[in-house]
Amino acid sequence: QLQLQESGPGLVKPSETLSLTCTVSGGSISSSNYHWGWIRQPPGKGLECIGTIYYSGRTYYNPSLKSRVTMSVDTSKNQFSLKLSSVTAADTAVYYCASDRGGGNFDYWGQGTLVTVSS
Amino acid sequence: QSALTQPASVSGSPGQSITISCTGTSSDVGGYNYVSWYQQHPGKAPKLIIYDVSNRPSGISNRFSGSKSGNTASLTISGLQAEDEADYYCGSQTSSITPHVVFGGGTRLTVL
Repeated sequence: QLQLQESGPGLVKPSETLSLTCTVSGGSISSSNYHWGWIRQPPGKGLECIGTIYYSGRTYYNPSLKSRVTMSVDTSKNQFSLKLSSVTAADTAVYYCASDRGGGNFDYWGQGTLVTVSS
Repeated sequence: QSALTQPASVSGSPGQSITISCTGTSSDVGGYNYVSWYQQHPGKAPKLIIYDVSNRPSGISNRFSGSKSGNTASLTISGLQAEDEADYYCGSQTSSITPHVVFGGGTRLTVL
């Protein structure tokens, strides 16, 4: 069974870059069976998919965030990462990493990490 | 504004059945058999309960079922139990602009 764990700063200043890493255990990030995704949830609001990445590096970004998002995979560490640039208070959210078994069906999720954008 | 439309809230009594709708377009719900449903309790991560429109992951009760007609998907919960009280989200693959995943705004289920 896959386990995912987000890590990164809980506080980011406006205009700076948010950086998070997701460590995968219980399986290989190089598996052809999975994509890997980032989903966020502003306090009291719904889910928003930021994007997904395949182990090969192929990415699928939410068009509304595409200009600010970079995802990458580190197969040697069994990790994948998210960078979101030029953040504002609107980017304050719980950020989840998750495994996508195909078709955007996210079957395993990390516990989530709250990232607050504030000076 | 979410890409997929769900009712903000539904309610039912223990033992009853409820249905939550999820309406999209031919570019998402109507165009793919990749509709998923998630249950989220307060302070917890979402949990996949239905994938590919109507399939249940291992360990998910058969009280949960999914279906789709045209651009609208539905989640039915039968034999409501107190622990079913949670937020429910639908999700779908979409080809709008570029391939990505969209979610509904969420439905709060209250068990009376």
